[in-house]
Amino acid sequence: DVKVTQSSRYLVKRTGEKVFLECVQDMDHENMFWYRQDPGLGLRLIYFSYDVKMKEKGDIPEGYSVSREKKERFSLILESASTNQTSMYLCATRGTGTGSSYEQYFGPGTRLTVT
Amino acid sequence: AQTVTQSQPEMSVQEAETVTLSCTYDTSENNYYLFWYKQPPSRQMILVIRQEAYKQQNATENRFSVNFQKAAKSFSLKISDSQLGDTAMYFCAFGETSGSRLTFGEGTQLTVNP
Repeated sequence: DVKVTQSSRYLVKRTGEKVFLECVQDMDHENMFWYRQDPGLGLRLIYFSYDVKMKEKGDIPEGYSVSREKKERFSLILESASTNQTSMYLCATRGTGTGSSYEQYFGPGTRLTVT
Repeated sequence: AQTVTQSQPEMSVQEAETVTLSCTYDTSENNYYLFWYKQPPSRQMILVIRQEAYKQQNATENRFSVNFQKAAKSFSLKISDSQLGDTAMYFCAFGETSGSRLTFGEGTQLTVNP
């Protein structure tokens, strides 16, 4: 079974703080993703990475950056947290190559509140 | 760019009855995947069912089945014999075979009543 873990279930930060959200997977998947989930908007892709040190912007990258120094770890960074970044953040992974089934596997989510 | 639309923000059903959740999508791709994910109150996203666009046969997984209409770009989820544990947010998602990203719909909150 794929296991995807996120560093915190709940997080409360102050406006202007630098925030790190960590995601770790144990299945040697090449692809990792960060989404934010807001009511009525579904899941929106922030950034994704298809290999170590490689990253691509998703649909809403503004205000965020990412880091992937090791294959199993993908970090989302809020350089200066703002109240409009209060949201649920979900990490996901996906394998590639023969036998890959294209679905993504999700972590339990981090509910971030910025006050 | 692909878009996915779920036009039912909320639905409810009585236990043991059948319910259908709707999903439409827009794409110019011929080959792709479609998914239904379930997010219960625990927030853990769980894959319910997957459909490959090149397969004409509708996917089924126990009480869950889909009605895939490729020409109409429609992908509905039918839940038979609804159970209280089916109460969750359900997301429809589109996946390109040429890439790795998924595009999600807005979600449908399903409540199963006893």
